[in-house]
Amino acid sequence: SQKIEQNSEALNIQEGKTATLTCNYTNYSPAYLQWYRQDPGRGPVFLLLIRENEKEKRKERLKVTFDTTLKQSLFHITASQPADSATYLCEGPNAGNMLTFGGGTRLMVKP
Amino acid sequence: EAQVTQNPRYLITVTGKKLTVTCSQNMNHEYMSWYRQDPGLGLRQIYYSMNVEVTDKGDVPEGYKVSRKEKRNFPLILESPSPNQTSLYFCASSPGSGGAADTQYFGPGTRLTVL
Repeated sequence: SQKIEQNSEALNIQEGKTATLTCNYTNYSPAYLQWYRQDPGRGPVFLLLIRENEKEKRKERLKVTFDTTLKQSLFHITASQPADSATYLCEGPNAGNMLTFGGGTRLMVKP
Repeated sequence: EAQVTQNPRYLITVTGKKLTVTCSQNMNHEYMSWYRQDPGLGLRQIYYSMNVEVTDKGDVPEGYKVSRKEKRNFPLILESPSPNQTSLYFCASSPGSGGAADTQYFGPGTRLTVL
């Protein structure tokens, strides 16, 4: 079955460093992937979309890559801040018009 | 303000007592969707709707019903709730068909506990 997977272990980094989160997909080739941020008890909020024919997208301190050979998208936050601490979700299309999310990766940025 | 609203935000009920969680969006979006979020399982799509009177099953539709009589509303119905439906539920909407790389806008969530 088509799957999107993210590292379920929390990522702990020091303030000012670059955080890199991984999203892997299996058994299909999504036309795009989207990244969302979710704070505890709240709904996800859209951050970036990247299409399969785009290698890289940037928005302020955020960067997303899409590698169709590795079947992977990487999400980077440069100069990370404690306020970036949250869970980050990867989402892509699924069969028909369904949408599927990875399990999310929790990022903790320590001052 | 453009938003997706859900009601109630919190609900504690008992097994077998029918309930409805409402969802409304004011952005004239075509696509609406319901998700449940459970620890370790992430967000899973329950049902989605591409337009009025068009609904389809997602990954985990068992025990749920939906309807889309108006474009702005997409209620989630639990005819006979069971404890395994205790979860955090999110409604979301997006402008297009969902398959066209449309960003989803999420509601604030409904925390449901079934005793």
